Amino acid sequence: EAEVAQSPRYKITEKSQAVAFWCDPISGHATLYWYRQILGQGPELLVQFQDESVVDDSQLPKDRFSAERLKGVDSTLKIQPAELGDSAMYLCASSSTGDGNTIYFGEGSWLTVV
Amino acid sequence: GNSVTQMEGPVTLSEEAFLTINCTYTATGYPSLFWYVQYPGEGLQLLLKATKADDKGSNKGFEATYRKETTSFHLEKGSVQVSDSAVYFCAPRHGGSQGNLIFGKGTKLSVKP
Repeated sequence: EAEVAQSPRYKITEKSQAVAFWCDPISGHATLYWYRQILGQGPELLVQFQDESVVDDSQLPKDRFSAERLKGVDSTLKIQPAELGDSAMYLCASSSTGDGNTIYFGEGSWLTVV
Repeated sequence: GNSVTQMEGPVTLSEEAFLTINCTYTATGYPSLFWYVQYPGEGLQLLLKATKADDKGSNKGFEATYRKETTSFHLEKGSVQVSDSAVYFCAPRHGGSQGNLIFGKGTKLSVKP
């Protein structure tokens, strides 16, 4: 069964350092999402791509966060500099126009900022 | 704006008990509706979905019916198992095939043997 791949699975970084997360969506999925999930809460959308274009980044803290999907396939989410409040799970998800409107999630990347 | 409200957890049940987790949403249109499940330390797994009014989604003994008149999508299971212990998220998807999911805080379920 096709899956959304994410790496690294776990990351510990010191505040003010840079950190990056990678996501490879299900093959053929044009829409890619990055969500952030703080412990004990539901996921919140950070950025949405349609192919290589950003559709929605209204909740992305652009002073420190950036996201790209240069060739419309895999994507990277970067944080620089990391702050203590960035500790969370970063979830990547993807979807296609068919498949019953379903969005599929990866296993997530846990970030701890110390 | 669009939002979703789930019953507060944690919900603690004994094995084989009946489960209901309430979910209501606000929407200007007719979203698709999803239930996702999250086991400790893992990502979200699709549990079931419904894309139009009166549709019933079902999977692994769980069911939910899209009720347009009450804007609800309550999750039910007739007999829970210890392995059902997890956090459950109700999520409407607005904007059609290019929309995104709106999540509430989730409901944590603990099933005791």
